[in-house]
Amino acid sequence: GNSVTQMEGPVTLSEEAFLTINCTYTATGYPSLFWYVQYPGEGLQLLLKATKADDKGSNKGFEATYRKETTSFHLEKGSVQVSDSAVYFCALSDSNSGYALNFGKGTSLLVTP
Amino acid sequence: GAVVSQHPSWVICKSGTSVKIECRSLDFQATTMFWYRQFPKQSLMLMATSNEGSKATYEQGVEKDKFLINHASLTLSTLTVTSAHPEDSSFYICSASEGVNTEAFFGQGTRLTVV
Repeated sequence: GNSVTQMEGPVTLSEEAFLTINCTYTATGYPSLFWYVQYPGEGLQLLLKATKADDKGSNKGFEATYRKETTSFHLEKGSVQVSDSAVYFCALSDSNSGYALNFGKGTSLLVTP
Repeated sequence: GAVVSQHPSWVICKSGTSVKIECRSLDFQATTMFWYRQFPKQSLMLMATSNEGSKATYEQGVEKDKFLINHASLTLSTLTVTSAHPEDSSFYICSASEGVNTEAFFGQGTRLTVV
C-alpha cells in the first residue's frame, strides 16, 4: 500500500536559515505529491503540489521537486521567517486510494528571531 | 481557495452520548468528502470517503456503526460519533473536493473530548 515517511521533528532554525524537510514515499501507482502546512490554531492548507515526475511545486518561497528515481519530495526554503513556524505534512494521493490523501506524520518547524 | 467550514471546532461530551460534526463546502459543490482522524503528534488517518448520494467507504479498522457518515447533499457531510467513549477523543478533520483528483480543501477540524 501507499505510505509517506517524513523526517521527525521538531526542527528549530534561526530566521533566514535554509530549510529542508525530507519526505519519501511508497506507492504502487503514479501518485500526486503534496505539502500541506498547519499554522498554530488553524486548519490544513495546501502549500504546494506536483503531479508527475520532475515537476517542481513552489509557493511562498518553498519548493519541492518530484523525484521518481529516489521516490522523494523534499521541501526546501532558502531563507525561513518566523511566520513559517508551523507543522508541515507531506502527502500523496492516487487512484488506488480513491484520491484520498495519505499523510506523513508531520514535521514541526519553529523559527526563532 | 475554496472554503470548507467544519462545525463545531471543539466539543466535550459525556461518555455514551452521540456527537455530530458537520462539514460544509461554502462556495463549491463537493462531490467527494473525506474524514480523517488525527491523534496527538501523529499523522492524519483516513477514516472514510463519502461521495454525495452514496454510502461512505470506510477504511479497514474503522467501525461504520460507530462513525456514521452522511453525505446527503453536495455541500454537506456529517460525521456522527455514536455512543462516544474516552478513546474516541481525538481531532477530526474533513476535506472536500469537487471531483476525482481535484484539490481537496480542509475544514478547521473538530477537537472531540469524551469525559
